[in-house]
Amino acid sequence: EPEVTQTPSHQVTQMGQEVILRCVPISNHLYFYWYRQILGQKVEFLVSFYNNEISEKSEIFDDQFSVERPDGSNFTLKIRSTKLEDSAMYFCARGDRGETQYFGPGTRLLVL
Amino acid sequence: RKEVEQDPGPFNVPEGATVAFNCTYSNSASQSFFWYRQDCRKEPKLLMSVYSSGNEDGRFTAQLNRASQYISLLIRDSKLSDSATYLCVVPSGTYKYIFGTGTRLKVLA
Repeated sequence: EPEVTQTPSHQVTQMGQEVILRCVPISNHLYFYWYRQILGQKVEFLVSFYNNEISEKSEIFDDQFSVERPDGSNFTLKIRSTKLEDSAMYFCARGDRGETQYFGPGTRLLVL
Repeated sequence: RKEVEQDPGPFNVPEGATVAFNCTYSNSASQSFFWYRQDCRKEPKLLMSVYSSGNEDGRFTAQLNRASQYISLLIRDSKLSDSATYLCVVPSGTYKYIFGTGTRLKVLA
């Protein structure tokens, strides 16, 4: 059974459109993370979220990105105006005692 | 030195072989390390954690050499199902993960 679920599993969008990727943890955790993996490249850190606040973000996580936990359960990543180079696999992860991370199945985003 | 560096491979080995991967890291203050396995177009899945000198779990052994700043993963008696990409991970900052590029393993029948 997955530690987190992610929706949608696949999303195709037009350049300039907004997308919202969702992550639903199976149980309550304090630490959440978003990573992305461009096809053929390594997994890259985007942002960490602790106790309902951003605790750290990477250079990739610019003003086009935002994260929220709107209802205390779902954890969302929003990309305001997608670019071609945003095409990637996006993984949500939850933390266990702040160290070991468990990844969701990912959302494959394709920007046309 | 890159933050986390791995030989991308691929390593093609016959079933039953023993294979070892190395990973070097740059942050000498790092205290914990992880090996994850990633199948094609799937999420990384935790294989082993390494907090001290090493860890063993069945056919898998992870070793840590702090002086030389590398971690190794040894797989004994390789199975076809071991074919995957093995990701070396070093936490940094507020526990964000720094990933290596991964080492591809293909076990041949």
